Amino acid sequence: NAGVTQTPKFQVLKTGQSMTLQCAQDMNHEYMSWYRQDPGMGLRLIHYSVGAGITDQGEVPNGYNVSRSTTEDFPLRLLSAAPSQTSVYFCASSYFSAGNEQFFGPGTRLTVL
Amino acid sequence: DQQVKQNSPSLSVQEGRISILNCDYTNSMFDYFLWYKKYPAEGPTFLISISSIKDKNEDGRFTVFLNKSAKHLSLHIVPSQPGDSAVYFCAASADFGNEKLTFGTGTRLTIIP
Repeated sequence: NAGVTQTPKFQVLKTGQSMTLQCAQDMNHEYMSWYRQDPGMGLRLIHYSVGAGITDQGEVPNGYNVSRSTTEDFPLRLLSAAPSQTSVYFCASSYFSAGNEQFFGPGTRLTVL
Repeated sequence: DQQVKQNSPSLSVQEGRISILNCDYTNSMFDYFLWYKKYPAEGPTFLISISSIKDKNEDGRFTVFLNKSAKHLSLHIVPSQPGDSAVYFCAASADFGNEKLTFGTGTRLTIIP
């Protein structure tokens, strides 16, 4: 039981490049979410999903896309990276809602130059 | 607009004494609250939660108190141990089944041996 896994751990992009942050969970959780953590800002919700095929926007969705084709996977796509997207990104999952205990992945540290 | 505030960025406490971490919120729709703990280079882990129908919830050394009229909650750790040194995030949701969680900015707790 691996829990929530995220790849890559670190990534450096140039402005304008695109990439996908991978997230997978093996706990059969319905709810999955993406957060970004910035100094002095706490964790902010980017997008979330309450089940396969269902996604919605969080607090800071601009510049990011998500899809949920399976229960296990919830990738986050950066369409055209900007320096403002330099951050640490966390994926999380829970049984059915944000209020459930969420299990977090180890994070991806992204730097956009 | 920071709806969940942790006004103390850092706190140092002697080992064996009580640690008290504070959190204030502004959104009166919030009625379910959680605390997460985060070690460096790891994802946050769930610690304890409380519903607005209660004013106290205990789990071992950890107790969360909720004062709804003051829109204030606090996490008490007693006795404090070196392994408690971490960043603590307060989070709030409109209800247990809600899809969105709003985090505070975090408090870095250091336990002095």
